[in-house]
Amino acid sequence: DSGVTQTPKHLITATGQRVTLRCSPRSGDLSVYWYQQSLDQGLQFLIQYYNGEERAKGNILERFSAQQFPDLHSELNLSSLELGDSALYFCASSQDGFYEQYFGPGTRLTVT
Amino acid sequence: AQRVTQPEKLLSVFKGAPVELKCNYSYSGSPELFWYVQYSRQRLQLLLRHISRESIKGFTADLNKGETSFHLKKPFAQEEDSAMYYCALWGYNKLIFGAGTRLAVHP
Repeated sequence: DSGVTQTPKHLITATGQRVTLRCSPRSGDLSVYWYQQSLDQGLQFLIQYYNGEERAKGNILERFSAQQFPDLHSELNLSSLELGDSALYFCASSQDGFYEQYFGPGTRLTVT
Repeated sequence: AQRVTQPEKLLSVFKGAPVELKCNYSYSGSPELFWYVQYSRQRLQLLLRHISRESIKGFTADLNKGETSFHLKKPFAQEEDSAMYYCALWGYNKLIFGAGTRLAVHP
């Protein structure tokens, strides 16, 4: 087990709603990454936090935001949800950016 | 712009046959390349990184800067190799993934 945990495993919600996905990194890892995996877009990098600070940004929509807390867990907030936001959202962690990233099991979001 | 291309969505082979999963990249600097694997119902995990030049589970990958490729190879496929394989490039503080290739190894 890589040690990265994500909650919830599944989430079903309606369009226009807001949800929060949670990620706890491996012990000792300071970096947290969020990815979106959908059938048409593949695995897309969203955002990275390192020790509480945003470090890199990918294709993250303005309706989405994230933060990393002092205990290093991270939350990804998705608002004004659209059908197209349905996807698997992965969190990964690493000691620092360059090193091996350890992935969590993902949260499957279904927007109806 | 940095990009990773995996041209095959599905690669289907028989057990014992050689396997080559293709990966091409576009990056202006010196790339750091990886192969990740996702077995059924398991999380994504690192298989290989080019910098370590190692062989994992019989897989190898060589970085060819001239052809901007990082193909994954295995001389004799096993049924347990069936999985989704992703090539990834590290650059500008991000890991960029290819679309992935599903490898199906038939008995």
